[in-house]
Amino acid sequence: NAGVTQTPKFRVLKTGQSMTLLCAQDMNHEYMYWYRQDPGMGLRLIHYSVGEGTTAKGEVPDGYNVSRLKKQNFLLGLESAAPSQTSVYFCASSPQGTGGNQPQHFGDGTRLSIL
Amino acid sequence: RKEVEQDPGPFNVPEGATVAFNCTYSNSASQSFFWYRQDCRKEPKLLMSVYSSGNEDGRFTAQLNRASQYISLLIRDSKLSDSATYLCVVNIGSSYKLIFGSGTRLLVRP
Repeated sequence: NAGVTQTPKFRVLKTGQSMTLLCAQDMNHEYMYWYRQDPGMGLRLIHYSVGEGTTAKGEVPDGYNVSRLKKQNFLLGLESAAPSQTSVYFCASSPQGTGGNQPQHFGDGTRLSIL
Repeated sequence: RKEVEQDPGPFNVPEGATVAFNCTYSNSASQSFFWYRQDCRKEPKLLMSVYSSGNEDGRFTAQLNRASQYISLLIRDSKLSDSATYLCVVNIGSSYKLIFGSGTRLLVRP
């Protein structure tokens, strides 16, 4: 049972390069999320999606774009990477629920370094 | 003020000890509360949901105090394997977006 799968696990980029992080879930969850985690800070929401074809901005969306063309996939793009985007990125998914009462299931993260 | 605040610790306790963490949240309309556990360089994993009446799962007990806007996690008979960072998680009002605290680090020593 795969759950939430993130690719790649590690990546080093140069400033200005672009890349796409892929998240795939096999739990038929409606909601998907992208977070970043930096030392001493909690997870911060970048973008999220409440269903196929819909996306919305989270707490720290600048410099990132997302797409959810298929229900099971949620892509996070960096168009022009900056050193400030060096972080650990987590994808999560959750089933549809009311009042946020559904916990989120996380992938094992992507460690991204921007030089 | 942060939306979810936790003491970062670390809490350094011997095996077998009882340890408690508190977490405060700022949005009085929050409805859902969770404790997650995160091991070093790993993803967060759900430890337990927190219900209004309090709930227990083995050695772990969670309590919610809506009047004072805090939740707590009690770990009894600590094991070495309990060493991790514990994240307090609260939803934003009635939405499905969650706010994560920065975590409390627990170290259980032999």
